[in-house]
Amino acid sequence: AQSVTQLGSHVSVSEGALVLLRCNYSSSVPPYLFWYVQYPNQGLQLLLKYTTGATLVKGINGFEAEFKKSETSFHLTKPSAHMSDAAEYFCAVSEGNFNKFYFGSGTKLNVKP
Amino acid sequence: GAVVSQHPSRVICKSGTSVKIECRSLDFQATTMFWYRQFPKQSLMLMATSNEGSKATYEQGVEKDKFLINHASLTLSTLTVTSAHPEDSSFYICSATGGPGYEQYFGPGTRLTVT
Repeated sequence: AQSVTQLGSHVSVSEGALVLLRCNYSSSVPPYLFWYVQYPNQGLQLLLKYTTGATLVKGINGFEAEFKKSETSFHLTKPSAHMSDAAEYFCAVSEGNFNKFYFGSGTKLNVKP
Repeated sequence: GAVVSQHPSRVICKSGTSVKIECRSLDFQATTMFWYRQFPKQSLMLMATSNEGSKATYEQGVEKDKFLINHASLTLSTLTVTSAHPEDSSFYICSATGGPGYEQYFGPGTRLTVT
């Protein structure tokens, strides 16, 4: 069975600082991994995904994530935070065929001026 | 890119009434649609999986008689919350996929408030 753990329900960074949002997963099969962003009262927007191939994936808005199989992690990073990055971020895993997504509990990112 | 819409975006209904939420794939045929529920400050919980032309598969703990799902065409799935109660107030999000191996695309969500 798949599960996702996001450490830190709230993360606060200063504008221009590094953003690091943590995600660990468990999966009995090779996972597909995703990061989504959600703004208040809106749906999910895909930031990036890992399916196969290169373990460092780049997404929109300057975000990237690295799949580390040995650590069962897929942490999201951005070198320099912008005020517009303030939102809630969800890590998700699927069973390798895009069906049945399992979401983490989410991390709310606050960006201070 | 693939677009999924939901209607309405917000709905307020009185306790005891039923409300229907539509999920449409606008530019692709969705053989499978998923319905999620999101409580305030919480993550998305999968409620059910629906395949076009067949009965929905509900996750454990989800009342199928309360949350009626219909996937009558390759572009439309509906979720009907029957005899709604205030505890059904939530954010409902659908997603759609062209089938196994195809990516899921998420709708913008529907905010249901039951008074």
